[in-house]
Amino acid sequence: DTEVTQTPKHLVMGMTNKKSLKCEQHMGHRAMYWYKQKAKKPPELMFVYSYEKLSINESVPSRFSPECPNSSLLNLHLHALQPEDSALYLCASSPAEHTQYFGPGTRLTVL
Amino acid sequence: AQSVTQLDSQVPVFEEAPVELRCNYSSSVSVYLFWYVQYPNQGLQLLLKYLSGSTLVKGINGFEAEFNKSQTSFHLRKPSVHISDTAEYFCAVSYPGNTPLVFGKGTRLSVIA
Repeated sequence: DTEVTQTPKHLVMGMTNKKSLKCEQHMGHRAMYWYKQKAKKPPELMFVYSYEKLSINESVPSRFSPECPNSSLLNLHLHALQPEDSALYLCASSPAEHTQYFGPGTRLTVL
Repeated sequence: AQSVTQLDSQVPVFEEAPVELRCNYSSSVSVYLFWYVQYPNQGLQLLLKYLSGSTLVKGINGFEAEFNKSQTSFHLRKPSVHISDTAEYFCAVSYPGNTPLVFGKGTRLSVIA
């Protein structure tokens, strides 16, 4: 089973809202990732968690706040977003051998 | 800096024809190579990967790719495409030390009936 689940599938929020994206995997993977993908572009890495600790933050604005409560869960907390933050947000996980498995994504629209 | 070049942004092909999507990477060290497919409004699905061993790698949906170290290439091939293969295809590379994936810009495969 190589399934990564993400909720919600779609999210519409205003610029003053606070919302969270959730990602879950039960494959025992110890690395988890958040990506942002704009239309017709490849995914852009935002954050990497390794063994539940933040190991990479690709200079992401503080209005995006990741959290890894345990080895199976990854959250992305959103606050005061801008319309240009509208995108597909992808979660991925990987075991030690580099292969990343992606979830279906959350389509975020900021009004 | 490491980079991945997908030489074609769009590839139109007739149904049941063969297709090759090209991918080149810049590196002189060991690499791990991946092809992902993304259908409209979906996440990325792993098609195949090269970590070590045989240079010809077979993946899902009848796709295969060949790792060519001397040409730093990892081209994706399918002998006969179907309408359902219409999607965006991304080549990606990572390096020893658990470095993040580096993606190419993607190739849009359009299969024409």
